[in-house]
Order: sequence, then structure tokens, then C-alpha cells
Amino acid sequence: DAGVIQSPRHEVTEMGQEVTLRCKPISGHNSLFWYRQTMMRGLELLIYFNNNVPIDDSGMPEDRFSAKMPNASFSTLKIQPSEPRDSAVYFCATHRDRGRDTQYFGPGTRLTVL
Amino acid sequence: DQQVKQNSPSLSVQEGRISILNCDYTNSMFDYFLWYKKYPAEGPTFLISISSIKDKNEDGRFTVFLNKSAKHLSLHIVPSQPGDSAVYFCAASGTASKLTFGTGTRLQVTL
Repeated sequence: DAGVIQSPRHEVTEMGQEVTLRCKPISGHNSLFWYRQTMMRGLELLIYFNNNVPIDDSGMPEDRFSAKMPNASFSTLKIQPSEPRDSAVYFCATHRDRGRDTQYFGPGTRLTVL
Repeated sequence: DQQVKQNSPSLSVQEGRISILNCDYTNSMFDYFLWYKKYPAEGPTFLISISSIKDKNEDGRFTVFLNKSAKHLSLHIVPSQPGDSAVYFCAASGTASKLTFGTGTRLQVTL
């Protein structure tokens, strides 16, 4: 099993540019979570999907952030336009949504907005 | 508003000694608690969990203690090893699938 796959691993962009982060969940996992890690706030949940449907997006910081899950094998997190304060590590995690099944994290995307 | 708090950003322990990492929570609806371990440039990985019906769960060198009345949990690692050096995140969940994480504690195990 390849685990959760995220791309790109690193992204450097200029303020105002659009950024798209990608995630491929573990096959058979039907819940997908996007997190952001910062020093000040630790790991914050941005949004999560169950069976491709967004369930809770209360953590999405503002309208510049959007996420989609068009099918069970792929999800994107888009920031448009990006700002320097968006610089962080973004993680995708998935689980099977059976009872208290653990979440499995991808390696993360380190985003730097100049 | 941090519902899960790890008040110690870092901890240094000698190899062979006990490491104790602490976590406090404020939401009384949380009934399941987890610890994740994170190495640099990697995603967090699950370490150990505990349900609110228990006050202790042990897995090898790792033990998690839960004090519901104090809304406090702790992770004990004994004996500590250099490979345990990592950032440890405490997390909590209620009835929904989502987890609420703390800010992490960086553990350094020295020789």
C-alpha cells in the first residue's frame, strides 16, 4: 500500500498567485481530511470529506480557500489568491470511517508564499 | 480557542529515563484521545490511543494516562531512546470523525 500521496512536496510561489495542493487517499478509505500545521496553532483541521461529500468546512480560514473531492481517489485544496500568511505545511489524512479507526497522514506539502 | 493544549513546546530527556508529555483539553464532549508522533519532513503517525472508559492504556514502552475529572492526559515513554526524538501531538475526538490536535511538544532524547 502506497499510503496517502501528496503533491507537490514543496511549493514556493509569489503573493497573489493561485496554489493547488493535491492528495490521493489510501484505497478504500472513505474519509479525507485537510490540515494545516503552523507553529502557533499546531495542526488545524481545515475541511473533511466523507464519501466525497464535504462534511465540515468550518476550519477553512476564508473564501480564498476551497477544496474539492471529485472522486474517491483524488482531492484538491486551492488557495486563490495566496498570501504570505498562508505559508505552512499542509497535510492530507484519510481513514476508513469505521468506528475509531486511526487517521493516516500524507507527507505534507510545504507551502511558502513570498 | 485551543480546545486541546500542550503547554510545553519542548522537552529534553536523557536516554534511558522517563519522558512525560502532557496534554489538557477543555471540551467535555471529547471521549477518545490519541497521540501522534511526527518526524521532520514526514506526516504524523499514530502512536497510541485511549477511550474515556479507561484511565490507562499501555503499548510496550508507551503508556497513556487519562484523568477525566482534570481533563488531562499524559504520555509516558520509558525507557526513552534517541529514536523517540520527534514532535508529539495530542489529539481528541467526540462523536464525529474529526480530530482536534494540540500544538505539539518537541521531545529530544539525549545520549
